[in-house]
Amino acid sequence: KAGVTQTPRYLIKTRGQQVTLSCSPISGHRSVSWYQQTPGQGLQFLFEYFSETQRNKGNFPGRFSGRQFSNSRSEMNVSTLELGDSALYLCASSRTGAGETQYFGPGTRLLVL
Amino acid sequence: GENVEQHPSTLSVQEGDSAVIKCTYSDSASNYFPWYKQELGKRPQLIIDIRSNVGEKKDQRIAVTLNKTAKHFSLHITETQPEDSAVYFCAASLGNNDMRFGAGTRLTVKP
Repeated sequence: KAGVTQTPRYLIKTRGQQVTLSCSPISGHRSVSWYQQTPGQGLQFLFEYFSETQRNKGNFPGRFSGRQFSNSRSEMNVSTLELGDSALYLCASSRTGAGETQYFGPGTRLLVL
Repeated sequence: GENVEQHPSTLSVQEGDSAVIKCTYSDSASNYFPWYKQELGKRPQLIIDIRSNVGEKKDQRIAVTLNKTAKHFSLHITETQPEDSAVYFCAASLGNNDMRFGAGTRLTVKP
């Protein structure tokens, strides 16, 4: 079974731009969670989607948004990029989400200049 | 929401020694506690997990213990090897699809 994939793997943007990241979960997994990983803050929970609905959201500003499609693929969008948004963005999938093993993708490394 | 604290932030041990990483959580309703290992430049990988109805779980050299009363859980690695060197993350979930991670522990196993 193919693992979680994320595209693109690397991205360079400038302040003020917006960016869209994509995550394809493991086949049969309907829950997709997004995390921001930075050296000083560890893994910070952004949001979780299940069946095209956002079920939970972490403490991030409204510039961070996401969506999920009927095939469970998910995208996250960051608008009006700031230097502090530079990070590794990881998505993780699980079958139903609730207290299950999450499988992580390789991440998208975003650099904001 | 849930808050997870992890200690120590760095840990250095000699090959063959044991390593212990501890985490505390704030929400007594949390019921799922996974541990992830992240090697440099790679994605986090689940190494062991435990649920709130179990006090201890072991898988070869790795074990996890859970104390629900004190709201803390620990990862124990015995007979450490250089390939155990990585960053380890604990996490806690309320089972509501909201997984909160600790800040990570950088483990270095010296040959």
